[in-house]
Amino acid sequence: DGGITQSPKYLFRKEGQNVTLSCEQNLNHDAMYWYRQDPGQGLRLIYYSQIVNDFQKGDIAEGYSVSREKKESFPLTVTSAQKNPTAFYLCASSIQGRGDTQYFGPGTRLTVL
Amino acid sequence: SQQGEEDPQALSIQEGENATMNCSYKTSINNLQWYRQNSGRGLVHLILIRSNEREKHSGRLRVTLDTSKKSSSLLITASRAADTASYFCATDAIGTGANNLFFGTGTRLTVIP
Repeated sequence: DGGITQSPKYLFRKEGQNVTLSCEQNLNHDAMYWYRQDPGQGLRLIYYSQIVNDFQKGDIAEGYSVSREKKESFPLTVTSAQKNPTAFYLCASSIQGRGDTQYFGPGTRLTVL
Repeated sequence: SQQGEEDPQALSIQEGENATMNCSYKTSINNLQWYRQNSGRGLVHLILIRSNEREKHSGRLRVTLDTSKKSSSLLITASRAADTASYFCATDAIGTGANNLFFGTGTRLTVIP
């Protein structure tokens, strides 16, 4: 099956801990994205990557970090510097970026205890 | 912000009725897309309309685009309970220097059986 997967589905973190959210795609897409969604809100872009070993900050990058060492993978680390990390995190990919249709993973719900 | 805004924020209709939701945006665009999100899930792409198109159909979906008013509408005909979801518009904005889509805040549609 081709698609985009995220793990884990639910994640609990204690304050002060870093956590890493996984995102993998086998669609052979060049571009990948991370969004944050708060209850009743739209999507806000955290980071995006158009090519391996390159990524750009989105609107709310503070307290987050990413890497893009492989085309298939775009993990997101939520650091202790993120003051309000409890949210629903969505990963997406597209063929090349630049307004292409985006394909989303099922999301990870992060809760800080 | 380039983010679009959907209107209404919430819509409740009876099964079989038509549902119309609107999206307004701020800058010129290359294309506008509509996505659907079931509760707690990822987004699913529904339809893309380019800036030189005025109307597009896909099954029970009809999308219109008025670039002079910077607005779009999504019509779902003969709604079903399974159409219950949040619907988001996303724009590929020109001149922002960004290579990503800008998502609106969503319309929450409830179809009552």
